Amino acid sequence: GDSVTQMEGPVTLSEEAFLTINCTYTATGYPSLFWYVQYPGEGLQLLLKATKADDKGSNKGFEATYRKETTSFHLEKGSVQVSDSAVYFCALSVQGAQKLVFGQGTRLTINP
Amino acid sequence: NAGVMQNPRHLVRRRGQEARLRCSPMKGHSHVYWYRQLPEEGLKFMVYLQKENIIDESGMPKERFSAEFPKEGPSILRIQQVVRGDSAAYFCASSPPHVSPDTQYFGPGTRLTVL
Repeated sequence: GDSVTQMEGPVTLSEEAFLTINCTYTATGYPSLFWYVQYPGEGLQLLLKATKADDKGSNKGFEATYRKETTSFHLEKGSVQVSDSAVYFCALSVQGAQKLVFGQGTRLTINP
Repeated sequence: NAGVMQNPRHLVRRRGQEARLRCSPMKGHSHVYWYRQLPEEGLKFMVYLQKENIIDESGMPKERFSAEFPKEGPSILRIQQVVRGDSAAYFCASSPPHVSPDTQYFGPGTRLTVL
């Protein structure tokens, strides 16, 4: 079945450090890929998405590239801020299916 | 344009009671999805509804759980005879009609605690 595997957390970094959160997927069809962010006590917000191979999604300094050959969609940011502290979820949806399939989430803490 | 609204935000029930969770989609959205997030886990799809129709309930437990999205009013997720294992955050999402449902807009969630 369709599934998403994320880098185990929690991840703790200092402000201005480089961030990578790994995400790999398996899918029966040709999926769209997403990163969602969940701030404490809130619902999920879409951070970025990519719908076809080699597309790069970007938002708020975060980037992720859809790599079909490695079935990956790793999240990166060049210089993190304290305000980036949150839980990050990688997800996919397969064409024809209406549901999102989520990874287990990665908790990120940025220290000043 | 108000976002997806869920109420209550926090709900406490004793074992055996019923829990009713409400979700009002964004204006103009006629597709509603329910997800459950167990502690320290990702979200798991439960059910997908359109107005007056259940489209996909493949993630719903076979017993005690039901969902509806009537022609008027919010979508309701109903859990009968709750057990401690039902304690979780329940998120609703909505998307507009006639477009790909790839992008879903999430509500703030209802955190259910079963004592």
